[in-house]
Formats: sequence, C-alpha cells, structure tokens
Amino acid sequence: GAGVSQSPSNKVTEKGKDVELRCDPISGHTALYWYRQRLGQGLEFLIYFQGNSAPDKSGLPSDRFSAERTGESVSTLTIQRTQQEDSAVYLCASSPWGSGGTDTQYFGPGTRLTVL
Amino acid sequence: KQEVTQIPAALSVPEGENLVLNCSFTDSAIYNLQWFRQDPGKGLTSLLLIQSSQREQTSGRLNASLDKSSGRSTLYIAASQPGDSATYLCAVRPRGSNYKLTFGKGTLLTVNP
Repeated sequence: GAGVSQSPSNKVTEKGKDVELRCDPISGHTALYWYRQRLGQGLEFLIYFQGNSAPDKSGLPSDRFSAERTGESVSTLTIQRTQQEDSAVYLCASSPWGSGGTDTQYFGPGTRLTVL
Repeated sequence: KQEVTQIPAALSVPEGENLVLNCSFTDSAIYNLQWFRQDPGKGLTSLLLIQSSQREQTSGRLNASLDKSSGRSTLYIAASQPGDSATYLCAVRPRGSNYKLTFGKGTLLTVNP
C-alpha cells in the first residue's frame, strides 16, 4: 500500500500568515507523529497522536502551533501568525501502535516551509 | 536530557571504500536505537533498528552495532556505492517514552564514483 504522504511538498508564505500542513498516514496505523527539522539541526518532536487518546503536545514550541487528527486518519498541523524561525521541513510519521519500544516509524517526504 | 551526537558531520569517500559512521548518546536508558537514511525530498527511511538487549543488526552491506553502556553506536557500510550518498541519522528511543525519538543532526555522506 501507499506510504505516508504529506501536502504540500513546499510552502512559501509571508510572515504573519497562517499555514496548514497535511499528513495522510499509512492505513491502519494508529500512531501519528509530527517532527520539525530546521536547517542544520536534528529532528525535533512536536506532537504525538495515538488512537483516540489525548495527544502528547509537549513538543509544540508555542501556542501558535496546533494539530488535529480525526480518529486514525488524516492529521493537520496549523501554524498561526508564522515567523521566520518557523522555516523548516515538517515531517510526519506513522506507526502501527506507537508503544512497546519495538515499532518502526514510517516517515513521509515532509513539507518544506519557508517564511519570508 | 538525552542528547545524540553524530560524527563526522560530513564525509566524502571514493566508491568501493568501507566506512563507519558514529553516533553517541548521553543517557544509556534507552529502548532502542535506530539508523535512518534521509534523501532530499523523500523523507526518512529506516535502515536498522537495534533493541537495547541487542549488540548489532545487519542488513545487506549495512551493519549497526550498539554499546549501550558506553552510549555508542556505529553504522558500518561495506563497499560503498554512489547510491549510498545521503544523510544518515541516528535516533534513540529513551526509556520512559514509548514513542518519542531523540535524533542526532546526521552525517552527510557523499560517495564519489
């Protein structure tokens, strides 16, 4: 089946605008993750969804960032009032169950966000 | 706080050479360690996952080792090919976190034909 897909692949926006990034996980994967990768930096964990449980939002850098997921399907990451420091590649990953320390996360191609 | 360091940051080798990429982590309390490959515009691909109870994993020309007590892992690539050119990322899953991964900044590998 298809892997994790993300859209758009590239997004250029002006400072202060809101943006919405989309992630389609692998069908049947209950766990979904968002990461941010800034230039020259490692991936930073942003948020984690597992089934219908409350998401772990501990990695969101500010209240301008929010994410939603309906059931075990599509997720959207929204950044309000974008700032230049938000420029990064935003990666989404999914895994079958997200616990137990044994599962592999499958990553999408990412969305490259550039804030002018 | 768990920190992951990868050395070198970049490496350029001629085709056919065997090479080693290094990863170190500060807290040995981990569930597992994973090596990923990242190609531009294609996201991350998992290469090898080593559970904390394991010492190494092999897949084709790749061999990853784990020394949890010293906080080190190596990724060995045998007979490198130009198609191996990519950024290689190391990530650990700390104990106490069922899902969060802590990543290194990666090693950019270029294999020259």
